[in-house]
Amino acid sequence: GESVGLHLPTLSVQEGDNSIINCAYSNSASDYFIWYKQESGKGPQFIIDIRSNMDKRQGQRVTVLLNKTVKHLSLQIAATQPGDSAVYFCAEDLGGSGGGADGLTFGKGTHLIIQP
Amino acid sequence: DAGVTQSPTHLIKTRGQQVTLRCSPKSGHDTVSWYQQALGQGPQFIFQYYEEEERQRGNFPDRFSGHQFPNYSSELNVNALLLGDSALYLCASSFGGGLNTEAFFGQGTRLTVV
Repeated sequence: GESVGLHLPTLSVQEGDNSIINCAYSNSASDYFIWYKQESGKGPQFIIDIRSNMDKRQGQRVTVLLNKTVKHLSLQIAATQPGDSAVYFCAEDLGGSGGGADGLTFGKGTHLIIQP
Repeated sequence: DAGVTQSPTHLIKTRGQQVTLRCSPKSGHDTVSWYQQALGQGPQFIFQYYEEEERQRGNFPDRFSGHQFPNYSSELNVNALLLGDSALYLCASSFGGGLNTEAFFGQGTRLTVV
């Protein structure tokens, strides 16, 4: 089976609220994690990454949290906007990079729906 | 600065035929990875090319093959197409074999096998 998965296939939030998308991974050797956003008809777009020696990393309106104890990854989006509607994938890389020799292992994705 | 470009954007093929998909990496990138994304699923790693060689391969049969050219562009070839090969094929580029660098994805090629 897949080593990376998501708890919920669909998440619906009100515009302006914060969104939290969760991801569980099973490979304790993974040392690099990435969140991608994929809009309909487009390829995945890099959002934010985190290495296993970190617990938290912040970007513009996004924060990624990594809990290695329970092998859990989350993406927090602040003040969700209509343009945030997309499918969000977490991905892990055993090679410590964004595209190492073993490739990225993706989960099935969470569809984020923004309610007006 | 052009990002990752893939061609064609859409393609319809008949079962048993062969198909070639093309990818030009982002400027400055020398590494290309190919992924297959079935509808409603996450991308699945097919293989990666660096220095014109296949470095690693995912769980895909030999019907899937590739090539990288001296200008770093790449092709994905699929022989003896099956209905199950219908998917979005994504190309991702990175630098230096993908070590410690971010991978950028193209828009993908939507392949439909009928």
